[in-house]
Amino acid sequence: DGGITQSPKYLFRKEGQNVTLSCEQNLNHDAMYWYRQDPGQGLRLIYYSQIVNDFQKGDIAEGYSVSREKKESFPLTVTSAQKNPTAFYLCASSMGTSDTFGSGTRLTVV
Amino acid sequence: QKEVEQNSGPLSVPEGAIASLNCTYSDRGSQSFFWYRQYSGKSPELIMFIYSNGDKEDGRFTAQLNKASQYVSLLIRDSQPSDSATYLCAVYNFNKFYFGSGTKLNVKP
Repeated sequence: DGGITQSPKYLFRKEGQNVTLSCEQNLNHDAMYWYRQDPGQGLRLIYYSQIVNDFQKGDIAEGYSVSREKKESFPLTVTSAQKNPTAFYLCASSMGTSDTFGSGTRLTVV
Repeated sequence: QKEVEQNSGPLSVPEGAIASLNCTYSDRGSQSFFWYRQYSGKSPELIMFIYSNGDKEDGRFTAQLNKASQYVSLLIRDSQPSDSATYLCAVYNFNKFYFGSGTKLNVKP
């Protein structure tokens, strides 16, 4: 079945540590997105990519980095520069305006 | 000014009633509008999308778009307790989706 797979489902990060969230899709979608959602809030765009080897900053890119070496994969690294990383992270992909979300990764700083 | 604005709610309606969820957007050139349902701790799922002025119906759901007023709404007829969730409005512009903060809907049995 086609879809988006995010892993891990839950992730715990120590202060000052970098962590990488995985996002893989087999939908052959060109565009991929990373969003952050805080409790009771909507989705805020971190980074997005329209094609392989190209990506753009969203509204809250500081403290995050991404790569798009393959069409299927769009990993997000939460760096130590992100001072408040505890949140629910959602990856999505789209072909035109038809988008699909992964099941999300819940990141907690311990 | 936020791109997409929604009342955070909660909106409470009795079972069987019509729930009306509203959304306004700032970019007059916006062309594509979406409603997502998100259960607590889960990812959003697409309910409806609408591109043209007027109404679009799908089962118990009706999306309404008024581009002159920059307003899009979602009506849920015969509301069920299983409809209790947060509803996110989104606008697609310049290769990006802009999301509102969501309206929490409670349907009381």
